[in-house]
Amino acid sequence: TQLLEQSPQFLSIQEGENLTVYCNSSSVFSSLQWYRQEPGEGPVLLVTVVTGGEVKKLKRLTFQFGDARKDSSLHITAAQPGDTGLYLCAGDSGGYQKVTFGTGTKLQVIP
Amino acid sequence: DAGVIQSPRHEVTEMGQEVTLRCKPISGHDYLFWYRQTMMRGLELLIYFNNNVPIDDSGMPEDRFSAKMPNASFSTLKIQPSEPRDSAVYFCASSILEGTPYEQYFGPGTRLTVT
Repeated sequence: TQLLEQSPQFLSIQEGENLTVYCNSSSVFSSLQWYRQEPGEGPVLLVTVVTGGEVKKLKRLTFQFGDARKDSSLHITAAQPGDTGLYLCAGDSGGYQKVTFGTGTKLQVIP
Repeated sequence: DAGVIQSPRHEVTEMGQEVTLRCKPISGHDYLFWYRQTMMRGLELLIYFNNNVPIDDSGMPEDRFSAKMPNASFSTLKIQPSEPRDSAVYFCASSILEGTPYEQYFGPGTRLTVT
């Protein structure tokens, strides 16, 4: 069974601070996704990374895929209250569009 | 285009009752997934379909759970009989093979409370 462990589980920071969320596994993935889920809604895809060492940027969010394709990180610069939510990583699970979701990081950005 | 539609949004039922959750995937999507989300266990895949055919139901907790997809635009997840431990948010998601690899579009979820 592929497991994706995310850290930290919970994070509460002040507006303007920087933060990094980690997603780790002992399994190799051909691709890894990051989703954000706001209260009362379903997860929404932020980015997909497919190449070891790949870095993608989405405004203030920077995503990196580990060289060995077993881990990933999400860095947020100058966090804003609108970044509040549950961040989930997900790795492909062997075909058929199936993915395994990580344990999640709940982020709260205080104005 | 409308996103994934789920109904009802909230369901409160008593232990032992039958519960049916409904999902309409995005038109043209050929994969449909049912997930359950709880604080303790996170987001768990229950079952998924490809072209209306169940591919993997290994995540279905037990025989009390069943899912069907009679056509490309409709799926149901049924719990009979329901138990308090089934209380969770149930999500339906759909995807298309020709899209971004493994990108899934989620519905708003059904919050189920079994008393």
